[in-house]
Amino acid sequence: SQELEQSPQSLIVQEGKNLTINCTSSKTLYGLYWYKQKYGEGLIFLMMLQKGGEEKSHEKITAKLDEKKQQSSLHITASQPSHAGIYLCGADSGGGADGLTFGKGTHLIIQP
Amino acid sequence: DAGVIQSPRHEVTEMGQEVTLRCKPISGHNSLFWYRQTMMRGLELLIYFNNNVPIDDSGMPEDRFSAKMPNASFSTLKIQPSEPRDSAVYFCASSTRGWSTEAFFGQGTRLTVV
Repeated sequence: SQELEQSPQSLIVQEGKNLTINCTSSKTLYGLYWYKQKYGEGLIFLMMLQKGGEEKSHEKITAKLDEKKQQSSLHITASQPSHAGIYLCGADSGGGADGLTFGKGTHLIIQP
Repeated sequence: DAGVIQSPRHEVTEMGQEVTLRCKPISGHNSLFWYRQTMMRGLELLIYFNNNVPIDDSGMPEDRFSAKMPNASFSTLKIQPSEPRDSAVYFCASSTRGWSTEAFFGQGTRLTVV
């Protein structure tokens, strides 16, 4: 079965600083999904990456999928308090219709 | 659209009791997923449906867990009898065409079994 490892497990960043979260898969990624979760709430979809080398951006968040499609990174530029939460990566095992496998998540705290 | 609606938001029950969690997916979505989230194990897929048909229930932990989707607008996850180790947040998500498009999550049901 596919396993996803996220690093770091938790991160405390001063407001305004940049940060990067990584997601490494034990198998080739057919689709990699980034979600954000606030405590006590559901998951909010951020981005989906499918092609090796693909990069997508939304506001100050950029996600990349490496050429070998086994690792993805999420980069936040000039972090703000609204970025705080848990970031989860999810992997599509290849069928497109199956449920995603998720990493354990990265807890992000933004210090004012 | 109101998004994926789950009820109740919180449930506290005694060990041995039956618990039913409910989910209303987004209208028009033909895939529905039930997940469980705990600190120790993270987010785990329990079961998913395509066009109301259960496709893979290999993630259902035990026979005490059962899920149904009688129609396109409603699904239930039932635990009978409940145990303290079932305490977790249970999420329902829906999408069109499985995960090839964005999937929307509900707010979750926080279950505590005492």
